[in-house]
Amino acid sequence: DVKVTQSSRYLVKRTGEKVFLECVQDMDHENMFWYRQDPGLGLRLIYFSYDVKMKEKGDIPEGYSVSREKKERFSLILESASTNQTSMYLCASTLGGGRLYSPLHFGNGTRLTVT
Amino acid sequence: DAKTTQPPSMDCAEGRAANLPCNHSTISGNEYVYWYRQIHSQGPQYIIHGLKNNETNEMASLIITEDRKSSTLILPHATLRDTAVYYCIGLSGAGSYQLTFGKGTKLSVIP
Repeated sequence: DVKVTQSSRYLVKRTGEKVFLECVQDMDHENMFWYRQDPGLGLRLIYFSYDVKMKEKGDIPEGYSVSREKKERFSLILESASTNQTSMYLCASTLGGGRLYSPLHFGNGTRLTVT
Repeated sequence: DAKTTQPPSMDCAEGRAANLPCNHSTISGNEYVYWYRQIHSQGPQYIIHGLKNNETNEMASLIITEDRKSSTLILPHATLRDTAVYYCIGLSGAGSYQLTFGKGTKLSVIP
């Protein structure tokens, strides 16, 4: 089974702090994604990556950046956390390589609270 | 992506089959029907997907009508751990990462 591991289940940070959310997958997937999930707004795509050192903006990239130095690891960075970034953050991965219909495998999420 | 309609909630007795319907009358020819579920406070979990043929895996079966306007997800022997919100979505390859979950069906498995 694919395992997508997010480093923290719960995080509490202060406004203005730099926040790192880490995600690791163990199935040699090429594609990795970061979403946030909010009540009433559903899942929204922040950033994704098709390969090492490559990144693409999703629907709501403002206030976030990402890093993918190794294939198995995809990091989400909040440069200066704000209260409107309080949310559940979900990392996902999928096979890629032209296999467009391969399903997404999600981690268990990081619930971030910015105070 | 196709708009999907699901009942807001369903109950199922433990050990019985859970049949979750989904209407997707606007689905286009290249859109697959995907099912995910989300157990409270966890990330979404992929269950199964199909185009027009029925599909089965270790978790569930997917029955798609011949006109592709609706489908049914079948959990053959529901357990308490299957209590979750189930989402049916239609996705084409190009947009298969732009997941837009609707409200889904809250399945409660009753002991």
